[in-house]
Amino acid sequence: NAGVTQTPKFQVLKTGQSMTLQCAQDMNHEYMSWYRQDPGMGLRLIHYSVGAGITDQGEVPNGYNVSRSTTEDFPLRLLSAAPSQTSVYFCASSYNPTTTGNNEQFFGPGTRLTVL
Amino acid sequence: AQTVTQSQPEMSVQEAETVTLSCTYDTSESDYYLFWYKQPPSRQMILVIRQEAYKQQNATENRFSVNFQKAAKSFSLKISDSQLGDAAMYFCALTYGQNFVFGPGTRLSVLP
Repeated sequence: NAGVTQTPKFQVLKTGQSMTLQCAQDMNHEYMSWYRQDPGMGLRLIHYSVGAGITDQGEVPNGYNVSRSTTEDFPLRLLSAAPSQTSVYFCASSYNPTTTGNNEQFFGPGTRLTVL
Repeated sequence: AQTVTQSQPEMSVQEAETVTLSCTYDTSESDYYLFWYKQPPSRQMILVIRQEAYKQQNATENRFSVNFQKAAKSFSLKISDSQLGDAAMYFCALTYGQNFVFGPGTRLSVLP
């Protein structure tokens, strides 16, 4: 049981480049989410999904796209990277909190992204 | 809007002593959960303790306990018998339904 995995761990991009951050979980969790962590601001929700084929925006969705074709995977796409997207990105998963009442989130190890 | 505030950006404690980290929140929801997460230098987010808002009894996990004051919207974390391994960033989080809101964090140093 690997839990939540993220790749890559580190990435450097140039402004305007695109890339996909990968996230996978093997706990059969319905709920998956992406956060960014910036100094002094905690974690802010980018996008989330409550199941395959269903995604929704969080607090800071601009500049990011997501899709959820399977229960296991929830990739985050940056279409045209900007220096303001330099951050640490975390993927998380949990059981669907609206059906189970248990919404403890399990986090991946994070991806440190630098945009030059 | 739901908000979480941690008014102490940094705290320090002597090894074996007790320290309390503060957290206040604001929500109009009646059914919610509160969490404390620990983030050591490894960057991994680790759940420390959880409190259901409908429970009056304060949660306890070994050396970690909370003081949950629902009317005051306060959720502080007490760490007893502090250990060097407790040094980390600590985040308070509020969750209701599918929404998670994190505070800005408190960096805890443990002095030998």
